[in-house]
Amino acid sequence: DAGVTQSPTHLIKTRGQQVTLRCSPISGHKSVSWYQQVLGQGPQFIFQYYEKEERGRGNFPDRFSARQFPNYSSELNVNALLLGDSALYLCASSLQGGAGYTFGSGTRLTVV
Amino acid sequence: GQQVMQIPQYQHVQEGEDFTTYCNSSTTLSNIQWYKQRPGGHPVFLIQLVKSGEVKKQKRLTFQFGEAKKNSSLHITATQTTDVGTYFCAPRMDSSYKLIFGSGTRLLVRP
Repeated sequence: DAGVTQSPTHLIKTRGQQVTLRCSPISGHKSVSWYQQVLGQGPQFIFQYYEKEERGRGNFPDRFSARQFPNYSSELNVNALLLGDSALYLCASSLQGGAGYTFGSGTRLTVV
Repeated sequence: GQQVMQIPQYQHVQEGEDFTTYCNSSTTLSNIQWYKQRPGGHPVFLIQLVKSGEVKKQKRLTFQFGEAKKNSSLHITATQTTDVGTYFCAPRMDSSYKLIFGSGTRLLVRP
């Protein structure tokens, strides 16, 4: 079985632009969470979706939004990019909201 | 808000020595998960602890959940170079789906 897949793997954007990151969970997993990880720090929680509903939101500005589709895949959108948005964006899926997470390899976003 | 401290921040050990990382919360936790992240990699789920005082073992790794469910520890016996990485605790409070990661303990092992 395929693990959690994220695309793209790397991305370079200019300040002020918008970006969309994509995540496909493990087949059968209905919960998807998004994390931002800056080098040298732990993953910071952005969103969690379960059964296509938002179940949790971290302390991120409204420039960050996400959604989950009927096939449980998910997108994370970030508008008006800032230099500080440069980070590794991780998607994680789980069978249910409270189970252990399987992480994807992440999308490395660089804002210049 | 939920406060989680993980100590130490770094640990540099000689291969064969033991290693312990601690995770402390200011509030009672519903459960706690532990993850390992290799350099350049992504977090990998190790275990979930749910019950007060719970102890679980995975080969050389021993995980404990405190009696008050406010702290947890991960102990590695006789470290190997393959243990290198950052170990994160990820506690969850009741009523929240959020999984909040600690700051991590980076383990370096000298061969």
